[in-house]
Amino acid sequence: GEDVEQSLFLSVREGDSSVINCTYTDSSSTYLYWYKQEPGAGLQLLTYIFSNMDMKQDQRLTVLLNKKDKHLSLRIADTQTGDSAIYFCAALPTGGGNKLTFGTGTQLKVEL
Amino acid sequence: NAGVMQNPRHLVRRRGQEARLRCSPMKGHSHVYWYRQLPEEGLKFMVYLQKENIIDESGMPKERFSAEFPKEGPSILRIQQVVRGDSAAYFCASSLQGNEQFFGPGTRLTVL
Repeated sequence: GEDVEQSLFLSVREGDSSVINCTYTDSSSTYLYWYKQEPGAGLQLLTYIFSNMDMKQDQRLTVLLNKKDKHLSLRIADTQTGDSAIYFCAALPTGGGNKLTFGTGTQLKVEL
Repeated sequence: NAGVMQNPRHLVRRRGQEARLRCSPMKGHSHVYWYRQLPEEGLKFMVYLQKENIIDESGMPKERFSAEFPKEGPSILRIQQVVRGDSAAYFCASSLQGNEQFFGPGTRLTVL
């Protein structure tokens, strides 16, 4: 089955860009997602990209997809303290019956 | 337009008791998913339901766990004879179709 991996921690200074990386194993994954989870809260869908796209931009968020390397990244421009959270990458495999496979999450810490 | 609602938000049970978790999907959504998040881990798929039907229960433990999504009312995830290892956050998501799943705030189950 699908396996999704992320690094566990990232620390950046306020105002810098953050880049959170994710790798997945199933090359047939159709959609790839980024979710944000704040402490004690549910998951907020930030953005997603369809597998036939290389890039998607949405305000401060840029998603890059390298399908050959099965690598997904989320760039947050001008990172703010309110961006501190855990970010989950998720994949929706073809024929996966709509079940998302999540990475373990990257904890982003934004320092002043 | 209310989002996905889950209740209770926190649930404490003693070993051997039953836990019932409820999920009301977003208005108009007929697809419901349950995921479990163990401490310090990502979310793991449990079950996917549409109204009155279980579509995919490949992530559900074979014993003690059941789920339903009746014609009227919320989806219910039921855990019988809870054990300490069931302590986790249980998240429900809903979607209109399959590619955008919106999550509720979760139910945090603690088994004493």
